[in-house]
Amino acid sequence: NAGVTQTPKFQVLKTGQSMTLQCAQDMNHEYMSWYRQDPGMGLRLIHYSVGAGITDQGEVPNGYNVSRSTTEDFPLRLLSAAPSQTSVYFCAGARASNTGELFFGEGSRLTVL
Amino acid sequence: LAKTTQPISMDSYEGQEVNITCSHNNIATNDYITWYQQFPSQGPRFIIQGYKTKVTNEVASLFIPADRKSSTLSLPRVSLSDTAVYYCLVGNAGNMLTFGGGTRLMVKP
Repeated sequence: NAGVTQTPKFQVLKTGQSMTLQCAQDMNHEYMSWYRQDPGMGLRLIHYSVGAGITDQGEVPNGYNVSRSTTEDFPLRLLSAAPSQTSVYFCAGARASNTGELFFGEGSRLTVL
Repeated sequence: LAKTTQPISMDSYEGQEVNITCSHNNIATNDYITWYQQFPSQGPRFIIQGYKTKVTNEVASLFIPADRKSSTLSLPRVSLSDTAVYYCLVGNAGNMLTFGGGTRLMVKP
């Protein structure tokens, strides 16, 4: 099992550009989520999904979209990148029956100039 | 949504036992308590999880009182490699899972 895989690991964007961070899992996770972590700070939830076709907003959803067309994939789209979105992004998944034990990807470091 | 409160930072020395407490006054009946460890430039890693009383695994113990409004992560005989940020998370995978600010543990020689 590859676990939770994020791509790309590093990305530099210019203000106003759009991009998609990919997240794929092969652990049968019903629950998937995206967090962002700014330097020296904790993790903030952007969006989450409790199953295919179901998504919901987290703590800081503005400027981001997600979709969950399959159980395995949960892409995060930045619509019009801003310098304030410079951060490390983590995708995480969990089995619904797993009581909330999250498995994290390695992270995607995004810089917006 | 259960909010968690932890100390911002703690210092310890190698070989000591470290106890980190997390407050979660509005924990729901179906919420579990999970602790994570995070090193710089890495995603959080699961340490231990519990619902009530005491849970122990090969790296830590988790103490949860009967009212479940707090929990304590116990790390026995810490080493320099235990220097990290520790997060307490309360919830279940049927709802959104949000992290608190975490506790930055510094282990000194």
